[in-house]
Amino acid sequence: EVQLVESGGGLVKPGGSLRLSCAASGFAFSSYRMEWVRQAPGKGLEWVSSISSSSNYINYADSVKGRFTISRDNAKRSLYLQMNSLRGEDTALYYCATDYYGAGGLDVWGQGTTVTVSS
Amino acid sequence: QPVLTQPPSASASLGASVTLTCTLSSDYSDYKVDWYQQRPGKGPRFVMRVGTGGIVGSKGDDIPDRFSVLGSGLNRFLTIKNIQEEDERDYHCGAEHGSGSNFGRVFGGGTKLTVL
Repeated sequence: EVQLVESGGGLVKPGGSLRLSCAASGFAFSSYRMEWVRQAPGKGLEWVSSISSSSNYINYADSVKGRFTISRDNAKRSLYLQMNSLRGEDTALYYCATDYYGAGGLDVWGQGTTVTVSS
Repeated sequence: QPVLTQPPSASASLGASVTLTCTLSSDYSDYKVDWYQQRPGKGPRFVMRVGTGGIVGSKGDDIPDRFSVLGSGLNRFLTIKNIQEEDERDYHCGAEHGSGSNFGRVFGGGTKLTVL
């Protein structure tokens, strides 16, 4: 079964840091671009970042550029998101996702991990 | 990059049909849009991709035949026929833009569908 499982969320104070992880199973992780998408409470989806299969291309939303760092370890079949200088507006459910079937859209999603930034 | 606009809410009676709309910003009329369905607190589920010629590729896993798409001008439509209670979900549209070092993805604000 193709599966993504996020972890690492929690409560952090403004200005703090957190590292999210996404464990992949059931597919050739090293062949796929991976992405992070977040959803603030009661809001729509917001794309956060992407990383190509071999980490050659890394992209960020303007809202997180310079504060967040995406990375992957293909040997460990894992995706990461290092989040620094966290702000209240970063409070959200964070999903990792991928275009597994090649349709272009994100067709495999994890269940999400919650990040709450509050003093 | 494109901006995607969705009405915040829609409603339809059980067994009826409803069409949800996602509107691209001007100058992006050739862009394809992805439709996603989401239950509260759960990860989104890919429905299908739509361009001006209709569906692009295949539907997502286990998406019923009641779901179909059309594209016209700046609008990308998702139609659900014979609405069931389990269709009461949030529906998001998204579009990728660029490639390589300038790749990105944008989403609309989402539409909450209520089944009456």
